[in-house]
Amino acid sequence: QLHLQESGPGLVKPSETLSLTCTVSGVSISSSNYYWGWIRQPPGKGLEWIGTIYNSGSTNYNPSLKSRVTVSVDTSKNQFSLKVSSVTAADTAVYYCARNYDSSGIRLDYWGQGTLVTVSS
Amino acid sequence: QSALTQPASVSGSPGQSITISCTGTSSDVGGYNYVSWYQQYPGKVPKLMIYAVSNRPSGVSNRFSGSKSGNTASLTISGLQAEDEADYYCSSYTGSGTVFGGGTKLTVL
Repeated sequence: QLHLQESGPGLVKPSETLSLTCTVSGVSISSSNYYWGWIRQPPGKGLEWIGTIYNSGSTNYNPSLKSRVTVSVDTSKNQFSLKVSSVTAADTAVYYCARNYDSSGIRLDYWGQGTLVTVSS
Repeated sequence: QSALTQPASVSGSPGQSITISCTGTSSDVGGYNYVSWYQQYPGKVPKLMIYAVSNRPSGVSNRFSGSKSGNTASLTISGLQAEDEADYYCSSYTGSGTVFGGGTKLTVL
């Protein structure tokens, strides 16, 4: 059974870099044809797509976040990661990692439980 | 990319059918048959209900159906049940990524 688990600090100071890791179990990132993505949801608000990565390292990012976001993959650890630089209070959200069944990015069929990241001094 | 437009709320009585719309542009909803719908209960993880406009993942009730006309996609829930009360989000491929709708709160009266 496929399982995704987000991990990382729950509190980040303004202007610093938010870093999260998603550990995947039940399927090998390197030998599968799936894409892997990050989505966030500010408290009481809607979903926002952040970015997607393939096992080759190829990425796509939300244009509104592209200048501050980096998604990377570590196939040896079966993990992929998210970094958001120069964070502000507006980056406070529940961050989800998810599997994209294909390159369209709209078939997010497995999700992590989500992790709340608060940006505050 | 701008968020897709969904009504903030819809409501219906048990047994009725409701439809939630999702309006985009020719660069997203209208340009590709890659629209999906997610159901989310408060404090829970979103669940994929419809993908590629009208396809249901295994295990999703056939009371849920999707369609698209031009730049607007729709989710229809028939035989409304109390357990359908949740937030619903649409999502579309944009050619280079993904965009979500603002979400619709479904209330079962």
